[in-house]
Formats: sequence, structure tokens, C-alpha cells
Amino acid sequence: LAKTTQPISMDSYEGQEVNITCSHNNIATNDYITWYQQFPSQGPRFIIQGYKTKVTNEVASLFIPADRKSSTLSLPRVSLSDTAVYYCLVGDTGFQKLVFGTGTRLLVSP
Amino acid sequence: NAGVMQNPRHLVRRRGQEARLRCSPMKGHSHVYWYRQLPEEGLKFMVYLQKENIIDESGMPKERFSAEFPKEGPSILRIQQVVRGDSAAYFCASPRATGELFFGEGSRLTVL
Repeated sequence: LAKTTQPISMDSYEGQEVNITCSHNNIATNDYITWYQQFPSQGPRFIIQGYKTKVTNEVASLFIPADRKSSTLSLPRVSLSDTAVYYCLVGDTGFQKLVFGTGTRLLVSP
Repeated sequence: NAGVMQNPRHLVRRRGQEARLRCSPMKGHSHVYWYRQLPEEGLKFMVYLQKENIIDESGMPKERFSAEFPKEGPSILRIQQVVRGDSAAYFCASPRATGELFFGEGSRLTVL
């Protein structure tokens, strides 16, 4: 199982772009990279998933370099409501044990 | 998180009692994950189940904890003889074939 490493916390201000990087040096060929967002007292929520290069949806972008040993979640123009914990998860799409890392606690201030 | 139903949302038990947490995955899904989250900590994998089969229980404590997912009905996480350290939020997740996890809102156990 690929282990992930993320910064424990990040601070930002409203309107800024936030980039959260996750390291996964031993990612396997069949592994995808998935990011989740968790608000206090709620279950995690899927944000975005990718395999390589760049993926974009209405919420975020995910940048994955060619060696796939890291990935960067990009949140454009954050608002106060983006204050949450963000988890990077690496695993095969097949049914398997999925282990979360420690997550990154993002605090957005006015 | 629509579709994954957990109950009860909140449960209070005294030390030594039993706690039963239930999870119904998304309709048509036959796999569930259980995770535990202690206050101010991350999600810890506990067990991964398929209907009538435990696929991976490497995250389950060796004693007092058990999980099942019967052919009919919800998955149940059972904690016997609860202790204060069992106080946590317990989340159930239902996986899609793409690997994306859909989480329930969690069951918050408080042990007095």
C-alpha cells in the first residue's frame, strides 16, 4: 500500500489559490490518486480523482507529474467554507484496504 | 454522502456496556468499510467487508471489536465492554468500482 505524506496544516485567505501537495513515493502502476474533504462532525466527501497529468472539475484541479510520486490539489479562490481537512488517498480501483493519511488542515481566514 | 445510512448518529454507553453501530451501504453495493476517528485525529481503517465475508480486518482491535455484513440487513460494528478510549466517531463507507468512497455521516460513540 502506498503511504502518503501531506503537510499537517495550511493557512490561507479568502480569494487566494491554495495548493496542497501529497507525496506518495511508492505508488504502484495501477494506483489512482483520490482527494477527500472533511468538515467537522461530517463524513469525508470525494473531491477529485486522477491517474496522471491534470484533472479538473467544478471544485478543484489535480496535478500529477510524470513520475506520479506526488500530486497537488489546487483549490481556486478559496472561501471561508473551504476550511476543512483534506486527505490524499492512493490505491487501486479494485476493492481493497484503503488507508488514509493524516490529512492537511486548511484554515481560510477573511 | 447521500445513500450511505448510519445509525444511531449518537450513542452514549457506560463502561462495560455493548455498542452496536449499523451501516447500510448505497443501494446495490455489497462492500463496506469501517473507519474510526478519534477527536482531532485522522481516519483509521478498521475493517473491509463484503456481504457474508470479511475481506480485511487488519485494523480491528484484537479484543472486544467485531464486524459483520450479513446477506440481509445492514453491516454491524459491535464493541463489547466499551471503555472510555472507544469514544470516537465511527464512519462507514461504500465504495464504487472506480475506488471512490461514499461515506455516511458517522456514528458518534460516547462512553461515560
